[in-house]
Amino acid sequence: SQTIHQWPATLVQPVGSPLSLECTVEGTSNPNLYWYRQAAGRGLQLLFYSVGIGQISSEVPQNLSASRPQDRQFILSSKKLLLSDSGFYLCAWSGGLHTDTQYFGPGTRLTVL
Amino acid sequence: LAKTTQPISMDSYEGQEVNITCSHNNIATNDYITWYQQFPSQGPRFIIQGYKTKVTNEVASLFIPADRKSSTLSLPRVSLSDTAVYYCLVGDSGAGSYQLTFGKGTKLSVIP
Repeated sequence: SQTIHQWPATLVQPVGSPLSLECTVEGTSNPNLYWYRQAAGRGLQLLFYSVGIGQISSEVPQNLSASRPQDRQFILSSKKLLLSDSGFYLCAWSGGLHTDTQYFGPGTRLTVL
Repeated sequence: LAKTTQPISMDSYEGQEVNITCSHNNIATNDYITWYQQFPSQGPRFIIQGYKTKVTNEVASLFIPADRKSSTLSLPRVSLSDTAVYYCLVGDSGAGSYQLTFGKGTKLSVIP
């Protein structure tokens, strides 16, 4: 069966510090991968998605970036965090040519102070 | 991507059937309708997906009229554990981008 992992689970960082969140998927090959952010009391905002190694599409301009160094690894980064980067970050994967069902990881709660 | 509209919140008593309706007037021919459930501090969980008519699984039923401009998620005999936010999404996987847009969802509160 497929599983998706995210770490860390929670993170408290000062403004201006760097960020690296990691997501890995097990039990599937060549998944589509996604990063979402959810601010308190709001819906999910798609940040990045990837259909393959090294292929990243950005949905919103921001100080965040994403990379996919391996088939089942997706990383969200920032060189300098802003207060507005606080939120709940979710990684998701989907697979198959004709399905858009996404499976989400446990999430990372980021607080920028 | 088609935009969806659903109620912000709903209340229901335990044991009742709950129907959450979603409007998607601009749904495209290739779009599927998918519902997710999200508990606090957890990622959304897939509930059900359909294209037309009726789909049923062990968790819920999805009713889609012929014009597909709306859909209704039906939860039979809800319990307190069904308290969550429910998202209706419309997306096209055939375009190759596999993008889904999550709105604010419907916050369902089940009352004992």
